[in-house]
Amino acid sequence: DAGVIQSPRHEVTEMGQEVTLRCKPISGHDYLFWYRQTMMRGLELLIYFNNNVPIDDSGMPEDRFSAKMPNASFSTLKIQPSEPRDSAVYFCASSSLAGDVETGELFFGEGSRLTVL
Amino acid sequence: LAKTTQPISMDSYEGQEVNITCSHNNIATNDYITWYQQFPSQGPRFIIQGYKTKVTNEVASLFIPADRKSSTLSLPRVSLSDTAVYYCLVVHYGNNRLAFGKGNQVVVIP
Repeated sequence: DAGVIQSPRHEVTEMGQEVTLRCKPISGHDYLFWYRQTMMRGLELLIYFNNNVPIDDSGMPEDRFSAKMPNASFSTLKIQPSEPRDSAVYFCASSSLAGDVETGELFFGEGSRLTVL
Repeated sequence: LAKTTQPISMDSYEGQEVNITCSHNNIATNDYITWYQQFPSQGPRFIIQGYKTKVTNEVASLFIPADRKSSTLSLPRVSLSDTAVYYCLVVHYGNNRLAFGKGNQVVVIP
């Protein structure tokens, strides 16, 4: 299995620009999670989906952030407009209902490092 | 969710056994203790999970005392490649909201 695939790996943009991060979960996994990692706050959960439906978005920092999952094999995290404080590494993770998610085993992608100038 | 407390960082020499502690005083009956490892420029990966006593796999051992208010991850004979951030999480059975926090930065020194 290819694992969780994220793109882009690195993105540098200017303040005010729209940023779209993409994620392809492991085939057959029905939970998808978006996390953000910074030195100050560590690894924070932003939102997660079950069967393409957003279940908990309480971690999304503000209205500038939005996430979608149009189908079981693709999700996006969009920031519009972006700000320098959004600079972080964004991770996508997926999990299976068949036991992994209940025991806390998530499979992470390699992350998208975002720098907003 | 039960909150966990870990040291921020620790150093160890190559070849030594490393023990990383975690406190989770408010752990509930249906909670499991789970550890993740994150190498630089990678996402975290699941290492081990336990409910009580001792669990061992090819990577580490997890020791959980009877009161379950703490746990210790033990890495035998660490190498430089074990330098990573180690996260202790309390996972409530059926709850998908995992709180990672900042973890414990372990640096292995030659």
